[in-house]
Amino acid sequence: GQNIDQPTEMTATEGAIVQINCTYQTSGFNGLFWYQQHAGEAPTFLSYNVLDGLEEKGRFSSFLSRSKGYSYLLLKELQMKDSASYLCAVRDFSGGYNKLIFGAGTRLAVHP
Amino acid sequence: GAVVSQHPSWVICKSGTSVKIECRSLDFQATTMFWYRQFPKQSLMLMATSNEGSKATYEQGVEKDKFLINHASLTLSTLTVTSAHPEDSSFYICSATPGQGARALNSPLHFGNGTRLTVT
Repeated sequence: GQNIDQPTEMTATEGAIVQINCTYQTSGFNGLFWYQQHAGEAPTFLSYNVLDGLEEKGRFSSFLSRSKGYSYLLLKELQMKDSASYLCAVRDFSGGYNKLIFGAGTRLAVHP
Repeated sequence: GAVVSQHPSWVICKSGTSVKIECRSLDFQATTMFWYRQFPKQSLMLMATSNEGSKATYEQGVEKDKFLINHASLTLSTLTVTSAHPEDSSFYICSATPGQGARALNSPLHFGNGTRLTVT
């Protein structure tokens, strides 16, 4: 089976840096994704890691350690519009096909 | 970029009726599409994997006779909620990945805009 854990809620200040952690357990790991979701909307893709290390994409960076089953999403220079849910998702290859399993999401509130 | 279109955006139906939701990949072909459901303040739960030309694969606990999935072409998958009840009210989202094989493995899922279903 799969298990993905991330904090339920976080708060941060505009202009600051925030790190959202994600730990996972899966039998057929095949990549880890981070998505952003605003209330009532579909998720939008932020980043993808399949190898260990850091992937940087503008204000967002994502890190993966496969041996530890651990990832984090780093958001820099926070803006008010970054208030959203951040979903950690693991691509799992089991049963002969890939599927993306989501964690419960972390609701981030950015304050002035 | 890859675009996934989902229709309708929202629907209100009476208990006992059926509702069909369409998911189309507009600028790519998708042999596999995924259907998710999301209840308020919860994450996306995978319901089933839709496979073009073959039967869908349902996740544990999802009733395949209630949630009918048809993937008749490489660009269209449909989800029909049969005999809907108020507890089926939810946000249904489809997704797809461009390409096949290795290309699909390294591509993110692209989501439709979702369908908010309300059963009265």
